[in-house]
Amino acid sequence: DQQVKQNSPSLSVQEGRISILNCDYTNSMFDYFLWYKKYPAEGPTFLISISSIKDKNEDGRFTVFLNKSAKHLSLHIVPSQPGDSAVYFCAASADNAGNMLTFGGGTRLMVKP
Amino acid sequence: NAGVMQNPRHLVRRRGQEARLRCSPMKGHSHVYWYRQLPEEGLKFMVYLQKENIIDESGMPKERFSAEFPKEGPSILRIQQVVRGDSAAYFCASSLPGLDYEQYFGPGTRLTVT
Repeated sequence: DQQVKQNSPSLSVQEGRISILNCDYTNSMFDYFLWYKKYPAEGPTFLISISSIKDKNEDGRFTVFLNKSAKHLSLHIVPSQPGDSAVYFCAASADNAGNMLTFGGGTRLMVKP
Repeated sequence: NAGVMQNPRHLVRRRGQEARLRCSPMKGHSHVYWYRQLPEEGLKFMVYLQKENIIDESGMPKERFSAEFPKEGPSILRIQQVVRGDSAAYFCASSLPGLDYEQYFGPGTRLTVT
């Protein structure tokens, strides 16, 4: 039973345009959400996070939106750059589940020059 | 400013052998987590340790797998009598106390069981 789902395995975007990566979750106890970026043969790199008390967090070109009623979050990258091409993982944590992160299956983003 | 270090980066073992994976957390980080990534899947939590303590091992298989984080030295994930299904990428992450949600990952160890 996947508690965190990324339904799009891949996404292709033109350089300069907006990339929108989506993530859905089922566990209403999740209260902290993170996005990680992963290049081949490397570990995931922390990108941005959001607490459940917020609905938006912005850091440079990256913005994460959280819709708690829909149990949905999204990562917006604007403008997209070729160096953004990677696999993006959504992760969630629940205060009553200790400190483990539950990951989605990932979305492969390809930004075309 | 070294990040999380893992070694070896690649490990090949025959069925029935033992695999030892090492993780040195970032400087100042006292919390260590191990995750496993099977091909084409996301990362799955295995175990969370603090120095000399296993805090949460709910994701660890009941047999053949063990983990430790001694007072001195790296954290070790040990897999005894490996089977082909153990082939995966194993990632270690670390965090600061109080900032446990923000985990920083190492480059991973790719275990191949032949």
